[in-house]
Amino acid sequence: NAGVTQTPKFQVLKTGQSMTLQCAQDMNHNSMYWYRQDPGMGLRLIYYSASEGTTDKGEVPNGYNVSRLNKREFSLRLESAAPSQTSVYFCASSWQGLVQFFGPGTRLTVL
Amino acid sequence: AQTVTQSQPEMSVQEAETVTLSCTYDTSESDYYLFWYKQPPSRQMILVIRQEAYKQQNATENRFSVNFQKAAKSFSLKISDSQLGDAAMYFCAFEGLYGGATNKLIFGTGTLLAVQP
Repeated sequence: NAGVTQTPKFQVLKTGQSMTLQCAQDMNHNSMYWYRQDPGMGLRLIYYSASEGTTDKGEVPNGYNVSRLNKREFSLRLESAAPSQTSVYFCASSWQGLVQFFGPGTRLTVL
Repeated sequence: AQTVTQSQPEMSVQEAETVTLSCTYDTSESDYYLFWYKQPPSRQMILVIRQEAYKQQNATENRFSVNFQKAAKSFSLKISDSQLGDAAMYFCAFEGLYGGATNKLIFGTGTLLAVQP
């Protein structure tokens, strides 16, 4: 039982490049989330998926897209990376929107 | 909109002593959950404790307990018998149960706890 896994763990991009962050959970949770963590600002919700086939914007969705591929997987895509998107990204999942379990995070640097 | 405030950016405690981390929140909801998460240097977010707003009894988990004051919108975390492994960033978080707050964790800015041997 791996819980919530994220790939990659680290990534460096140049401005304008695109990439997809992958997240998978094996806890049969219906809800999944993407957060970003910046120094001094705590975690902020980017997008979430309350159930398979649905996605909704969080607090800071601009510059990102998401796909809920199936119940297990929820990906986050940066179409044209900007330095302001340098951050640590966390994926999380929960059952019925209750306690959220987090992945190990992805540290992304955009040059 | 809901907000969560942690007014102590850093705290320090001696090993085996007790420390209390503060958190206040603002909401118009009557039913919600409150959480404390721990983030050690590994970056992993670890749930420490959870409190349901409809429960008057304060939650406890071993050495961790909360002081939940609903009317004052206060939710502090007490760590007893502090251990070196407790050193981490601690985040307070709010989750509403209805309307636009559903499924959304709102985090405070965190308190960095140092444990002195």
